[in-house]
Amino acid sequence: QLQLQESGPGLVKPSETLSLTCTVSGGSISSSSYYWGWIRQPPGKGLEWIGSIYYSGSTYYNPSLKSRVTISVDTSKNQFSLKLSSVTAADTAVYYCARQPTPIDYWGQGTLVTVSS
Amino acid sequence: SYVLTQPPSVSVAPGKTARITCGGNNIGSKSVHWYQQKPGQAPVLVIYYDSDRPSGIPERFSGSNSGNTATLTISRVEAGDEADYYCQVWDSSSDHPVVFGGGTKLTVL
Repeated sequence: QLQLQESGPGLVKPSETLSLTCTVSGGSISSSSYYWGWIRQPPGKGLEWIGSIYYSGSTYYNPSLKSRVTISVDTSKNQFSLKLSSVTAADTAVYYCARQPTPIDYWGQGTLVTVSS
Repeated sequence: SYVLTQPPSVSVAPGKTARITCGGNNIGSKSVHWYQQKPGQAPVLVIYYDSDRPSGIPERFSGSNSGNTATLTISRVEAGDEADYYCQVWDSSSDHPVVFGGGTKLTVL
């Protein structure tokens, strides 16, 4: 059974960089059929797609976040990562990693990241 | 980018049928997926490719897609179906390919 687990700091200061890692177990991140990516959900709001990466390194990013987002993959560790720079309070959200692109059939449990000084 | 429109809320009595719509321009030409999200939990896929059900999802959940509207139908609604529901499409021609609807809160009266 495929499992995804997010890890990283739960508190980030404004203007700093948010960094999260997703560890995939029960399957290989190098599968040719799938992308891997990040989705976030601000408190009380809906789902927002952040971006996706293929094991080869090709990426798609949400245009509204593209200037601040970097998603990378480490196939040796079966992990992929998210970096979001210059964060503000508007970036406070639960961040989910997930198997993509469509449908999104496996999700991590989510991790709350709060942006606050 | 492609826009999906859902009603903010739908209410239904137990045992009745709930219908949650997802509107989009010519959405019938795209594959629609539906997710259920209960408070404090990650979303769960309940319908994929318009009308297929993942294993473990009750037959009470069904989907359809035509024209400008996709619909998630929940028959014989139970209290445990109360949740937020999101539709989603993959718009391969867009630079924003993964699109979610705004979500619908299903309340079981």
